Amino acid sequence: AQRVTQPEKLLSVFKGAPVELKCNYSYSGSPELFWYVQYSRQRLQLLLRHISRESIKGFTADLNKGETSFHLKKPFAQEEDSAMYYCALIDGANNLFFGTGTRLTVIP
Amino acid sequence: DAGVIQSPRHEVTEMGQEVTLRCKPISGHNSLFWYRQTMMRGLELLIYFNNNVPIDDSGMPEDRFSAKMPNASFSTLKIQPSEPRDSAVYFCASSLTAKNIQYFGAGTRLSVL
Repeated sequence: AQRVTQPEKLLSVFKGAPVELKCNYSYSGSPELFWYVQYSRQRLQLLLRHISRESIKGFTADLNKGETSFHLKKPFAQEEDSAMYYCALIDGANNLFFGTGTRLTVIP
Repeated sequence: DAGVIQSPRHEVTEMGQEVTLRCKPISGHNSLFWYRQTMMRGLELLIYFNNNVPIDDSGMPEDRFSAKMPNASFSTLKIQPSEPRDSAVYFCASSLTAKNIQYFGAGTRLSVL
């Protein structure tokens, strides 16, 4: 069963516009959720994790247990935000599941 | 620390040949992961090790794929024989434990002709 779903493979927004990358998960317990990012020609790296409740590069993500979502948001997109974004979940057995990724393009 | 080191960065081979990808995790990390990234399927976990022991290899697509971790500082992913559909970017990642943040290598881009 697909644990993590990212419904959009591609997402384009204009510079300065708000951006939301969707992530829904399927897990009955208390998951640990992450967003990873891969910029062009760079390695995959952690962007943020939900337990830290932090804002990285202007991005935030709130865990909504009622909707089983962990959408990634930024109020004003920048060109340098163009990248591949992966949502990931760790379950109680320490299994890590990635979504299929969303490629974000910020149009100047 | 140089981070997770993968080699080679690029590999081009002919169908039927054996391919070996290498990974050196961050020193002190106890968990090591192998992933495959394709446009169609995104990032898929192939196998992961805890303290050099394979824990979950359910993601390994076929018997043609095998992975080993002979010691805490080295792991290999082998494809024998390789097929064109194996063409992808293969990432290795390591973490302190399976539940911690994973740090990724730069990946190996494999092209099987």
